Amino acid sequence: QVQLVESGGGLVKPGGCLRLSCAASGFTFSDHYMAWVRQAPGKGLEWVSRLSNSGSSTYFADSVKGRFTISRDNAKNSLYLQMNSLRPDDTAVYYCVKMGDYRFESWGQGTLVTVSS
Amino acid sequence: QSALTQPPSASGSPGQSVTISCTGTSSDVGGYNYVSWYQQHPGKAPKLMIYEVSKRPSGVPDRFSGSKSGNTASLTVSGLQAEDEADYYCSSYADSTYVFGTGTKVTVL
Repeated sequence: QVQLVESGGGLVKPGGCLRLSCAASGFTFSDHYMAWVRQAPGKGLEWVSRLSNSGSSTYFADSVKGRFTISRDNAKNSLYLQMNSLRPDDTAVYYCVKMGDYRFESWGQGTLVTVSS
Repeated sequence: QSALTQPPSASGSPGQSVTISCTGTSSDVGGYNYVSWYQQHPGKAPKLMIYEVSKRPSGVPDRFSGSKSGNTASLTVSGLQAEDEADYYCSSYADSTYVFGTGTKVTVL
């Protein structure tokens, strides 16, 4: 069965950086687009970024464009999110998501990122 | 990338039906048949319930159904059960990006 395990969350000061990782198993990782979706405490879901199966095409929400980078290592079945210039409104649970065609098919349990001084 | 509009809450008694709306624009909901719906229980990850407006993934009960008219999509839960009490979010593809709805809390009375 599909397993997505996020790591790398934690407390960081405004302006700082953090790198999230997602270890995938139970499916052919290199066949699928992957995405990150976040949820601020007590708030709704927000799409952050997605990445093509080869890693050659990336897409970002306006709220993170220019600050976040998404990448993958298909040999390691891993997805990454490099977050720079973090702001308090980036505080959220970040979910790693396996995509199907135009849908968020399978979700990890999430990792909490807190941006605070 | 404005969030799609959903009612904050909806409710029904066991066995009844509840319908949740999801209103966007011609640039998202109205422009593509790529609306999906997600169920989220407290403290849990979201789960895909409907994709491409009205298709159900395997394992999702046929009590869940979806539709779309113009810029508004809808999710209907028929024969409400206690375990259907959760938050529900719609999502739409929108020209290389995705947008989620504001979320609806469904309460089973």
